[in-house]
Amino acid sequence: DQQVKQNSPSLSVQEGRISILNCDYTNSMFDYFLWYKKYPAEGPTFLISISSIKDKNEDGRFTVFLNKSAKHLSLHIVPSQPGDSAVYFCAASDPGNTPLVFGKGTRLSVIA
Amino acid sequence: DVKVTQSSRYLVKRTGEKVFLECVQDMDHENMFWYRQDPGLGLRLIYFSYDVKMKEKGDIPEGYSVSREKKERFSLILESASTNQTSMYLCASSLRQGRVGEQFFGPGTRLTVL
Repeated sequence: DQQVKQNSPSLSVQEGRISILNCDYTNSMFDYFLWYKKYPAEGPTFLISISSIKDKNEDGRFTVFLNKSAKHLSLHIVPSQPGDSAVYFCAASDPGNTPLVFGKGTRLSVIA
Repeated sequence: DVKVTQSSRYLVKRTGEKVFLECVQDMDHENMFWYRQDPGLGLRLIYFSYDVKMKEKGDIPEGYSVSREKKERFSLILESASTNQTSMYLCASSLRQGRVGEQFFGPGTRLTVL
């Protein structure tokens, strides 16, 4: 039973446009959410996070939105660049010392 | 910067061989994790450890074991490698601050079992 779901395995976006990656979760104990970016043959790198006390967190071109009532978060990338082409993983954490729970990832392709 | 290193980037082994994957972190993190990544399956947790000589099973521990003799080092062992263990293996570490928090990943080891 997946606690963190990324329902779109892939997404293609034109360079300069907005990329929106979605993530849904089922466990109401999750209160901290992270996005990781992964290039082929490299380990994932942390991108941005959000605590459940916020509904938005922004870092440059990247913004994460959290809708707690819908148990949904999204990552917006504006404007999208070819270098953003990667697999993006959503992850969730609860207050206990348990490992992050990852979604299966969404492969983003930004087309020049 | 946190650095997590893995002993090999690419590894080719034969079925039945014993395989050791080594991971070292240099930031005195308490928590360490082993994942495998497969297309369409995302990151799956194999084993994790919150302290020296301590280990916990993740979601897919079958066919694997781990060793944590020192805080900075976490080894993944494939006792008898099989072709279905061909995968990208990722090690990660994190501080323990009441919660796991941000995990820092190594570059990965692409293991091929023939």
